Amino acid sequence: AQKITQTQPGMFVQEKEAVTLDCTYDTSDPSYGLFWYKQPSSGEMIFLIYQGSYDQQNATEGRYSLNFQKARKSANLVISASQLGDSAMYFCAMREVVGFSGSARQLTFGSGTQLTVLP
Amino acid sequence: NAGVTQTPKFHILKTGQSMTLQCAQDMNHGYLSWYRQDPGMGLRRIHYSVAAGITDKGEVPDGYNVSRSNTEDFPLRLESAAPSQTSVYFCASSYQRRIDGYTFGSGTRLTVV
Repeated sequence: AQKITQTQPGMFVQEKEAVTLDCTYDTSDPSYGLFWYKQPSSGEMIFLIYQGSYDQQNATEGRYSLNFQKARKSANLVISASQLGDSAMYFCAMREVVGFSGSARQLTFGSGTQLTVLP
Repeated sequence: NAGVTQTPKFHILKTGQSMTLQCAQDMNHGYLSWYRQDPGMGLRRIHYSVAAGITDKGEVPDGYNVSRSNTEDFPLRLESAAPSQTSVYFCASSYQRRIDGYTFGSGTRLTVV
């Protein structure tokens, strides 16, 4: 079963508008972390935002915010006031404990959403 | 600059040849992992290491070997390359807490012909 699901292979948004990128996850671990990464056409992976499973408030980082709905197991990324430079692939990822030792904290990625910002 | 350094950035390999992708980090991170990125499949973990001398298999380990003789380096070896190993490879490091995101290298684009 997919642990991280991103159902939008591609999204378009008009410059200066807000856009929401969907992410749902599946885990039985009560303690986990959720991350969003941006991958521009140059290929590097850029960390955007983090949400812990016990965090009471939604995470925000500048124009990025994470709409965390724990009961629904969703962690959607909201980008406000889109800019042309936001055009990129966006990955949702989850870090959870695996194994008895708890030391192998695997980061599992979704398949990504390609966002295109239109001028 | 502190971070994760991957070499080479690009490489073309013939089927059956071997090569080693290099990964070095200078942030004293304990956790290192190799991922491959293929279109439509996100990133999938190949092997990982939680400390020097300790390695383990990830989701897609077949055809790859790793070693970790010190904290800084985590090379990925392809013993007999196959066209199915054409991919973009990322090395990533982090501390081991749940709140820690990964720091990624810039990637290696490998083509096996």
